[in-house]
Amino acid sequence: QVQLQESGPGLVKPSQTLSLTCTVSGGSISSGGYYWSWIRQHPGKGLEWIGYIYYSGSTYYNPSLKSRVTISVDTSKNQFSLKLSSVTAADTAVYYCARGWSGSYVHLDYWGQGTLVTVSS
Amino acid sequence: QSVLTQPPSASGTPGQRVTISCSGSSSNIGSNYVYWYQQLPGTAPKLLIYRNNQRPSGVPDRFSGSKSGTSASLAISGLRSEDEADYYCAAWDDSLSGRGAVFGTGTKVTVL
Repeated sequence: QVQLQESGPGLVKPSQTLSLTCTVSGGSISSGGYYWSWIRQHPGKGLEWIGYIYYSGSTYYNPSLKSRVTISVDTSKNQFSLKLSSVTAADTAVYYCARGWSGSYVHLDYWGQGTLVTVSS
Repeated sequence: QSVLTQPPSASGTPGQRVTISCSGSSSNIGSNYVYWYQQLPGTAPKLLIYRNNQRPSGVPDRFSGSKSGTSASLAISGLRSEDEADYYCAAWDDSLSGRGAVFGTGTKVTVL
């Protein structure tokens, strides 16, 4: 059974960089066939796709966030990470990591429990 | 990127059938598969329907999906109290302004 777990600071100051890591267990990121994604949910709101990464390092980002987002992968640790720069209060949200199927990036079959990140001074 | 439009709420009594609509455009629903997610209170979303009308293993056949043109629907038949949750549709968007995954606005289902 694949499991994903987000980790990182729950509080980030405005203008700083938000950094989160997703640790995958029960399956290897290096095995291929899956795209590892980040999705966020503003408090009381809907879901927003942030982007994905393949084990090879190829990425694709939401055009609206592209200038501030970096997703990276560490196959040796079976982890992938999210960095979001120049954050504001509008970036306060629950951040989820999830596994997407190759060729069907919206097919997200395993999700982490989510972690709340608050942007505040 | 565009957002898929859903009604904010839907409700029904136990045993009833509830239908949720999801409206998009030619660049998303009109040309790509539709997915549905169920989010129970305080939990992560769960994949409910994939490729328009397929159910992952373990999802009851009370849940069904369909797609026509630029719209899609999720139907819940034999409504149960545990179906009370938020439901989101999703699709890949190939719009000229930028490609990416888009989610619906979400529908809160209440079991009366």
